[in-house]
Amino acid sequence: EAGVAQSPRYKIIEKRQSVAFWCNPISGHATLYWYQQILGQGPKLLIQFQNNGVVDDSQLPKDRFSAERLKGVDSTLKIQPAKLEDSAVYLCASSLVRAPTDTQYFGPGTRLTVL
Amino acid sequence: AQSVTQLGSHVSVSEGALVLLRCNYSSSVPPYLFWYVQYPNQGLQLLLKYTSAATLVKGINGFEAEFKKSETSFHLTKPSAHMSDAAEYFCAVSLNTGTASKLTFGTGTRLQVTL
Repeated sequence: EAGVAQSPRYKIIEKRQSVAFWCNPISGHATLYWYQQILGQGPKLLIQFQNNGVVDDSQLPKDRFSAERLKGVDSTLKIQPAKLEDSAVYLCASSLVRAPTDTQYFGPGTRLTVL
Repeated sequence: AQSVTQLGSHVSVSEGALVLLRCNYSSSVPPYLFWYVQYPNQGLQLLLKYTSAATLVKGINGFEAEFKKSETSFHLTKPSAHMSDAAEYFCAVSLNTGTASKLTFGTGTRLQVTL
C-alpha cells in the first residue's frame, strides 16, 4: 500500500513570495490533515478535511494560508504572501475515518525556508 | 482543553539500556493517547496507541506504554535500546470535537543512543 505522498520535499523562497504544497493521501482515506511543524516543536494542526469539506480550520492563518481538497482526494496548501515565521515543515496526514482513535498516517513533509 | 507534556527534550541512553520517555496528559474526559516516532527527514510513524482497552499497550519495535489514570501518565518504555531507536518521539492526545478529530502533540523528546 502506497503511503502519503508530498511534494516538493524542500522549498526556499523569499518573504512576500507565494508557495504551494501538494499532498496525495492513502487511497480510500476520507480524512486529510495539514500540520505545521516548527523546529523544536510538535506538529500543530492547520486544517482538516472530511472528503472535500473543511471540518476544522480554526488554527489556519486565513489571511495568508489557504487549502483545498478537490474531488476529495489530493490537496494543496498555499501561502501567500509568506513571512519569515512560516519557515517550518508542512506535514500532510490522512486517516480512514474521522474517529479520535483512528491512526493518522503521515507523509515525509515539505521543508519550507523563507528568507 | 486537552494537552500533553513531555518531560525532557533530550534523553541519552547506552545501547542495551532501558529507554524511558515520559508523557503526562491533561484531559477533562477519558483520553485517547498516541506515541509517534520521527526519523530524520521523515514523517511521523505510529508506535502505539491507547484507546481505553488494555492499559498496557504494546507497539512496534519492542516499545510499550502503560496508561496510568492516577498519575495522568502514558510513559513509553523499551527494555533494551538499539542504535536504530535514535529519533524524535512525540506523545499526542486525541480530541473529538464532534465535527472534527484532532491530535494535539507534545514538544517531543529526542532520543540519543550511544555505544
